[in-house]
Amino acid sequence: GAVVSQHPSRVICKSGTSVKIECRSLDFQATTMFWYRQFPKQSLMLMATSNEGSKATYEQGVEKDKFLINHASLTLSTLTVTSAHPEDSSFYICSATGGRVLLYVEFFGPGTRLTVL
Amino acid sequence: DAKTTQPPSMDCAEGRAANLPCNHSTISGNEYVYWYRQIHSQGPQYIIHGLKNNETNEMASLIITEDRKSSTLILPHATLRDTAVYYCIVRVGPGGNKLVFGAGTILRVKS
Repeated sequence: GAVVSQHPSRVICKSGTSVKIECRSLDFQATTMFWYRQFPKQSLMLMATSNEGSKATYEQGVEKDKFLINHASLTLSTLTVTSAHPEDSSFYICSATGGRVLLYVEFFGPGTRLTVL
Repeated sequence: DAKTTQPPSMDCAEGRAANLPCNHSTISGNEYVYWYRQIHSQGPQYIIHGLKNNETNEMASLIITEDRKSSTLILPHATLRDTAVYYCIVRVGPGGNKLVFGAGTILRVKS
């Protein structure tokens, strides 16, 4: 149980285009979903927290107009990187928590490798 | 949330127990200790968490000292597939603040 999936697993795009990444909780309802970014040889950095049906809360320094987060249902959140540039190339990871039922533990997706040319 | 200190790397022989230490000397009474691991190019995997009692599950055991200022994650019989970065995280919980990932400990299991 407690499986989180991400799609796509890998994406390569041209500079200036937008990329959408999906995060799904497959066997539980996610009360909260999180988006992280990880650069090579660095640790995970939280970008934003989202609750179903409400606006995401972004961490300091993360541009909300560039990283659009939509949490349309209790099992799906999307991250759209708008007008991507090479410096946005990174490993994007989502996580989800099922609340008290799953002891508030965060379960992570497998990650999406974004390369912007 | 309290900060944690972990050794940057450790080696362990395959089949032996891997004991990963974590110091969290400023931990508060309502803060939990969480352990995750990240295998190369994958998302982090939840291992175990605890408040003050020792915990055990199918993956590992978590030993928390009586004063709660440190803890040890024990993988009883390490395999090559346990090679990963292990993160010890302290946060107010359950359902508390965000997880803050530090540098973690790189565990290398060797045959």
